[in-house]
Amino acid sequence: GAGVSQSPSNKVTEKGKDVELRCDPISGHTALYWYRQSLGQGLEFLIYFQGNSAPDKSGLPSDRFSAERTGGSVSTLTIQRTQQEDSAVYLCASTAATGLDSSPLHFGNGTRLTVT
Amino acid sequence: KQEVTQIPAALSVPEGENLVLNCSFTDSAIYNLQWFRQDPGKGLTSLLLIQSSQREQTSGRLNASLDKSSGRSTLYIAASQPGDSATYLCAVKTGANSKLTFGKGITLSVRP
Repeated sequence: GAGVSQSPSNKVTEKGKDVELRCDPISGHTALYWYRQSLGQGLEFLIYFQGNSAPDKSGLPSDRFSAERTGGSVSTLTIQRTQQEDSAVYLCASTAATGLDSSPLHFGNGTRLTVT
Repeated sequence: KQEVTQIPAALSVPEGENLVLNCSFTDSAIYNLQWFRQDPGKGLTSLLLIQSSQREQTSGRLNASLDKSSGRSTLYIAASQPGDSATYLCAVKTGANSKLTFGKGITLSVRP
């Protein structure tokens, strides 16, 4: 079956512009996570969705970052007034359920964002 | 706050060698621990998931162990191959509805 799909795969934008990153999770996966990965850094948690609600958005670095999920499926991560430090690979992951120990995370290939 | 550490950051071994990758975490109250592989320019692929009640998991040439009390996990790779070259990340989940906290990964190079 199809895995987690992210689009676009690459995005180059000018400083100050807004960008939208999209994630299509595996069908039926209720939990969805956004992480970002900067060169030489580990994965930084951004936000977690259970269904359409976000019980943990503690990782969003500033109010320029927001995310939503609709229909318990597609999620979009929006970055307003992009800055050069926003340049990173943004990774989306989904899993079948939470509270169950045996549910591995499935990752997409990420969106590489470059802010010039 | 959960912190996950993977040392060393990089490792180079000759083909055929058995090797162990280490992971340590600060909060022993975990739900599960996962090992992932990441190839350049790609997302992460889940290799093994160890539940909090388990001590180890095996898949092919890979074996992962978990010692919650000491806050450690190891990933054992038997008879390493050049195709095993990748970055290996360890991640722990500390609650039922919580994020995974990742280490920075170990970049493995297996020389032919």
